[in-house]
Amino acid sequence: VTQNPRYLITVTGKKLTVTCSQNMNHEYMSWYRQDPGMGLRLIHYSVGAGITDQGEVPNGYNVSRSTTEDFPLRLLSAAPSQTSVYFCASSYDRGSGNTIYFGEGSWLTVV
Amino acid sequence: SQQGEEDPQALSIQEGENATMNCSYKTSINNLQWYRQNSGRGLVHLILIRSNEREKHSGRLRVTLDTSKKSSSLLITASRAADTASYFCVNTAARFGAGTRLTVKP
Repeated sequence: VTQNPRYLITVTGKKLTVTCSQNMNHEYMSWYRQDPGMGLRLIHYSVGAGITDQGEVPNGYNVSRSTTEDFPLRLLSAAPSQTSVYFCASSYDRGSGNTIYFGEGSWLTVV
Repeated sequence: SQQGEEDPQALSIQEGENATMNCSYKTSINNLQWYRQNSGRGLVHLILIRSNEREKHSGRLRVTLDTSKKSSSLLITASRAADTASYFCVNTAARFGAGTRLTVKP
């Protein structure tokens, strides 16, 4: 799972996109954010091309899934509260018996 | 809650000692997975234990599952400094807890 950029500093109000792609033909893809000392919180997920749904913390984020491979995360108007580390992940499907593969993370700072 | 709760939150041991961390859920457990996260990196899959299994081994890792108590434990034997990381358990719906931060001192 490849995500870019790995590190980004932006200003409040800017729109930005973090890309995510996988070449394992996985149907299920998801985005998480991780704040210091905390676990991962699910932002949005997709069970296949053309299908997306909200996770625990979707506000302020937008996603799309036009292809099986790509699942970009968009911040509509960046806010300091969105300063976090973002992880993209994929698995064969949403079933609990499937290994989840993670990207290396994108460190975002909003000033 | 579908979110796992790892216990303890932090664990510090000497190299060579065993490390045990626990995971509990309020909902029923199906297939439970353990992941490791090194500082500044993504999560890496360690082991999966299915709901009809009670114990599973992988190298120095031993995982147990008690579906009646809705809990699992991860044992790392003969720990090494390289085992220093955060460890997470995941049940269904990919809900992650805060993890256990393990520090192994050389």
